[in-house]
Amino acid sequence: GENVEQHPSTLSVQEGDSAVIKCTYSDSASNYFPWYKQELGKGPQLIIDIRSNVGEKKDQRIAVTLNKTAKHFSLHITETQPEDSAVYFCATGIRAGGTSYGKLTFGQGTILTVHP
Amino acid sequence: GAVVSQHPSWVICKSGTSVKIECRSLDFQATTMFWYRQFPKQSLMLMATSNEGSKATYEQGVEKDKFLINHASLTLSTLTVTSAHPEDSSFYICSARFRGREKLFFGSGTQLSVL
Repeated sequence: GENVEQHPSTLSVQEGDSAVIKCTYSDSASNYFPWYKQELGKGPQLIIDIRSNVGEKKDQRIAVTLNKTAKHFSLHITETQPEDSAVYFCATGIRAGGTSYGKLTFGQGTILTVHP
Repeated sequence: GAVVSQHPSWVICKSGTSVKIECRSLDFQATTMFWYRQFPKQSLMLMATSNEGSKATYEQGVEKDKFLINHASLTLSTLTVTSAHPEDSSFYICSARFRGREKLFFGSGTQLSVL
């Protein structure tokens, strides 16, 4: 089955700096790559996602890049703010056929702390 | 994004009792719902997948008789932890997906504490 490795496990940055979180995956059939932000005591919130036919996607301060050949994808957060502090999870998914998508496989999570 | 409502947000119960957690998709029809369990500072562990109108598919190692899942309608799925014990204490999270779409939306989670 799919295996997703996420690094680093913790990341501490100063406000205004950039933060980068990387994930590698094992199953070349994976074709959907979302990123989630989870605040303490809450459920994960989808912040950005990318499909395998796209190499990069950006939404304001957040961007995701995908390297299908190397089987890794990264989350980039620019101009970090204290409210960006949370746990971030990457995930992979596979379109199972037709319009059916299967389950997501999650990375181990990264605790991001942005210091004012 | 789509809204998935989960209730209760926290529950404390005595050992041996059963607890029901509800997960509702408020603005879309969720053809597939997933239930996860999360321990402190760990990732999400998939427990089961439920499709509307059919039996849930449980992940290996998850006791289906202990964690009863019902997905009777396109907007509601429930997880019942039967005969709960302290080791069942955890953060339970549901998620929902609309047919043909890859995006998965999560509920706010339920913290279960079994005394």
